[in-house]
Amino acid sequence: SQQGEEDPQALSIQEGENATMNCSYKTSINNLQWYRQNSGRGLVHLILIRSNEREKHSGRLRVTLDTSKKSSSLLITASRAADTASYFCATEESGANNLFFGTGTRLTVIP
Amino acid sequence: DGGITQSPKYLFRKEGQNVTLSCEQNLNHDAMYWYRQDPGQGLRLIYYSQIVNDFQKGDIAEGYSVSREKKESFPLTVTSAQKNPTAFYLCASTTTERTGEKLFFGSGTQLSVL
Repeated sequence: SQQGEEDPQALSIQEGENATMNCSYKTSINNLQWYRQNSGRGLVHLILIRSNEREKHSGRLRVTLDTSKKSSSLLITASRAADTASYFCATEESGANNLFFGTGTRLTVIP
Repeated sequence: DGGITQSPKYLFRKEGQNVTLSCEQNLNHDAMYWYRQDPGQGLRLIYYSQIVNDFQKGDIAEGYSVSREKKESFPLTVTSAQKNPTAFYLCASTTTERTGEKLFFGSGTQLSVL
């Protein structure tokens, strides 16, 4: 099985700045998802991008997918203190039956 | 309100003891999953079930057991064979039998060894 790798492992920014985190994976995928986790809580689904899509937007979130480089990025614009959380990418491999999660990026937004 | 309920929030296990983590959902989802989360690591799949009375092993099933007698319920038992059980356990569900779609997560159970 594969697991995505997020980069950076930790990111600290000022409120109002943009935050970018990246995810790389190893094999062909059907889709890639991003989730958010507040400390000690469950994960919350943010956005899903399919392998035939290159970019997707949802509110202040922008996700890109480059299947040739096997990578994705999540951009959070105009960050807020409430965006402080860990962010995980998850991939559904082609032919597989479940999601594989990365190790996460810990985002801290300083007020 | 619809959702996934995990209980208890905190659980302590003694040496040689089996413990059971509860997961209940009222979302009418077919598929349910158990993940383990260790600090600094991503989520690892323990078991999953796509239909009542059927379940499959994930990547780290050794030392764990599950049952799926009802659509709403997917309890996880951490047996004494699991030598390193301390972790945060997350239950999830999704709307279709086909995985890879959006997962809905419970709020987790933190298991610690006494």
